[in-house]
Amino acid sequence: SQTIHQWPATLVQPVGSPLSLECTVEGTSNPNLYWYRQAAGRGLQLLFYSIGIDQISSEVPQNLSASRPQDRQFILSSKKLLLSDSGFYLCAWRDHSGNTIYFGEGSWLTVV
Amino acid sequence: GENVEQHPSTLSVQEGDSAVIKCTYSDSASNYFPWYKQELGKRPQLIIDIRSNVGEKKDQRIAVTLNKTAKHFSLHITETQPEDSAVYFCAASIGSQGNLIFGKGTKLSVKP
Repeated sequence: SQTIHQWPATLVQPVGSPLSLECTVEGTSNPNLYWYRQAAGRGLQLLFYSIGIDQISSEVPQNLSASRPQDRQFILSSKKLLLSDSGFYLCAWRDHSGNTIYFGEGSWLTVV
Repeated sequence: GENVEQHPSTLSVQEGDSAVIKCTYSDSASNYFPWYKQELGKRPQLIIDIRSNVGEKKDQRIAVTLNKTAKHFSLHITETQPEDSAVYFCAASIGSQGNLIFGKGTKLSVKP
């Protein structure tokens, strides 16, 4: 069966520091991969999606970036965090032939 | 682009009563409409979905209805229980990649 993991689960970072969140999917090949952000008490905002290795589409211009160095690995990065980057970050995957999106456990980021 | 509106933002019901959450979408090409339940601090999880060739779908106490002409769909929960308390998100698919755009969520509280 397919599983998705993301880490770290929680982190507290100072303003201006870098960020790296990692996500891996197992049990499937060539999935669509996504990064969503959920600000406190708010909805799910699509940040990036990828249909294949090194193929990244950005939905919202910001100081975040994403990379997909391997088929089942998706990384969210920032060179310099802002206070407004705080939130709950969710990695997700979808099989190319299906519609359903499955979420990872999420990463809580607090920028101080 | 696609816009998904969800109402109400909060909903409080007595245990045993029914709860209804409504969503509207703007892109007539959308053809997949899932509903996710998110418990506090956890990832959203799919509870039911419907495709555009179906008007209604049921799964025990949960049902979803879709009106493509009016571009709205609804989640119905009958005989609510305290464990139904959570935030519920609707979503609609967009574009050739089938990415999901989410509503802002409804916080459902079921009082015993």
